[in-house]
Amino acid sequence: AQKVTQAQTEISVVEKEDVTLDCVYETRDTTYYLFWYKQPPSGELVFLIRRNSFDEQNEISGRYSWNFQKSTSSFNFTITASQVVDSAVYFCALSRAARQLTFGSGTQLTVLP
Amino acid sequence: NAGVTQTPKFQVLKTGQSMTLQCAQDMNHEYMSWYRQDPGMGLRLIHYSVGAGITDQGEVPNGYNVSRSTTEDFPLRLLSAAPSQTSVYFCASSYRFERSSEQFFGPGTRLTVL
Repeated sequence: AQKVTQAQTEISVVEKEDVTLDCVYETRDTTYYLFWYKQPPSGELVFLIRRNSFDEQNEISGRYSWNFQKSTSSFNFTITASQVVDSAVYFCALSRAARQLTFGSGTQLTVLP
Repeated sequence: NAGVTQTPKFQVLKTGQSMTLQCAQDMNHEYMSWYRQDPGMGLRLIHYSVGAGITDQGEVPNGYNVSRSTTEDFPLRLLSAAPSQTSVYFCASSYRFERSSEQFFGPGTRLTVL
């Protein structure tokens, strides 16, 4: 079974706080990719990052960082010093051999000024 | 490049009516797909296509038809709309479907079925 779980439905933080969005996945594939997408209030989907199953190095891009741990099947996303513009729905997704992208249910992040 | 375009942006239908959601891309992408987004459920794959003339079902195909006569266009047809099809529909494309492919999404169509 292919499944992506984002247990945090909604998170609210005050500006400049750090926040971590959790993503746990299930797959039987040995080769797969994980993605994060952002959906701001305007509604479009914006690609943030992809990570393949053989690369467990953490990645940092500005205030964003991602922690991939195969041992716990997790691919968590941390925003450092959050800003109001980070308010959005964030989706984690799993790509597998069957040409399908499976999304989690999303986490609504609200950053308060 | 316009990227992935979808029309209309909003649509209201009555139960039983039919309509076609349009999706086009100008990036010469082989892979195109349709998702629906419902509250608390993320995006679920409806149908996808790996090239002109080739389509396949995703996770939630019932009530929807697709065809792919050209590389650029991938319309989604609702033959007899039902209130359960009220949703936001996204079209996406990528150069090919490899597991590493980044999907490019259209702006979405918000459909309400009364």
